[in-house]
Amino acid sequence: EIVLTQSPGTLSLSPGERATLSCRASQILSGTYLAWYQQKPGQAPRLLIYDASTRATGIPDRFSGSGSGTDFILTISRLEPEDFAVYYCHHFGTSPLTFGGGTKVEIK
Amino acid sequence: EVKLVNSGGVVVQPGGSLRLSCAASGFTFDDYSMHWVRQPPGKGLEWVSVISWDGGSTYYADSVKGRFTISRDNSKNSLYLQMNSLTTEDTALYYCAKGRGYSSSWSSFDYWGQGTLVTVSS
Repeated sequence: EIVLTQSPGTLSLSPGERATLSCRASQILSGTYLAWYQQKPGQAPRLLIYDASTRATGIPDRFSGSGSGTDFILTISRLEPEDFAVYYCHHFGTSPLTFGGGTKVEIK
Repeated sequence: EVKLVNSGGVVVQPGGSLRLSCAASGFTFDDYSMHWVRQPPGKGLEWVSVISWDGGSTYYADSVKGRFTISRDNSKNSLYLQMNSLTTEDTALYYCAKGRGYSSSWSSFDYWGQGTLVTVSS
């Protein structure tokens, strides 16, 4: 099973600042089977990035994904008030699919 | 508009059984794999199971293997999760989710249901 470790657990930032979220896999991911989701309280997760770096439909370009192998990054270039949420990375290349433990981006 | 509507959540006793349903609309249901993902209260996401577009392939997380069965009825645009031998560790919000990739079991999830709460308690 591929274990995904996200860091930091919590990120305290102000609107307008840049957020950098990390996701490290326990083994090399074949291809780019890595996605990022945003989840707000009381809501289902929303797909932000798939295939490590492709923005999903309707996702603003302040969100970007990068990385390969075992290290992946989600960057939010300038935080908007609606971006404060929990973010999960997700490996989907083989069974079992796994999620990271999440990074909470909170208002400083 | 793609919609996934979960139903079937209740309170059930340990050792009991429950069947969850997910009604899909707004896309060609039998072109896509479908998944179940759960989230215990206040915790992170856990993938549970996937079923291929034609129902021919299924995979499960180790935590539910042998107890849960995923199925689909493409004629009814519906996904199901039969859950047996439930324990308190199965208490969670259960989401159905649509695989993004056409005819692929291995893809990210581009649409999610609203979730249904399953509480296992005596």
